[in-house]
Amino acid sequence: DTGVSQDPRHKITKRGQNVTFRCDPISEHNRLYWYRQTLGQGPEFLTYFQNEAQLEKSRLLSDRFSAERPKGSFSTLEIQRTEQGDSAMYLCASSLSAGELFFGEGSRLTVL
Amino acid sequence: AQTVTQSQPEMSVQEAETVTLSCTYDTSESDYYLFWYKQPPSRQMILVIRQEAYKQQNATENRFSVNFQKAAKSFSLKISDSQLGDAAMYFCAYSLPNFGNEKLTFGTGTRLTIIP
Repeated sequence: DTGVSQDPRHKITKRGQNVTFRCDPISEHNRLYWYRQTLGQGPEFLTYFQNEAQLEKSRLLSDRFSAERPKGSFSTLEIQRTEQGDSAMYLCASSLSAGELFFGEGSRLTVL
Repeated sequence: AQTVTQSQPEMSVQEAETVTLSCTYDTSESDYYLFWYKQPPSRQMILVIRQEAYKQQNATENRFSVNFQKAAKSFSLKISDSQLGDAAMYFCAYSLPNFGNEKLTFGTGTRLTIIP
């Protein structure tokens, strides 16, 4: 395992459907982050985990969004009742030390 | 709230030349980290360089160096001897060093084009 992996890389869905993204962090990293990146913008923080505990959630994370990290390993990000405004790249990152995040290639969501 | 501003949406440079990307930030904290991340097309974001605010010496990583001006809240990235592989989006980012505050705040990015 040489990096952060995300699956699927691209998801096309119809408005109103639920989608789930998975992130596998670098194995020894105990911190895991989710960011959202829309076209032409920098990534925006959504939430992060220290081991299995979700320590912070951005106000960007509406109640349609839920993230989990069972057993402190992989994480899932679920979006319920998708809207067109949810179309974005969802980036996962992991870290050991402060601020030095290692990113995955992202999961691109297109909501039709 | 902390903000990061990158005022150059696009930059271009001739191969082998030097280019400087600008970044300013706003914070009331005295201790923090600043970063430059590179995002090549369809590839993951990777860390280019990192600067701790308490260090006066500017960070350097091979052809990449920063000009950190704490009083001016400025953090520019200089790329020397530009190479075709440097073409990417470059994001300036800020974080606090305290446990539980390591999340990054990003700027909007600068797209760098390398002209052969």
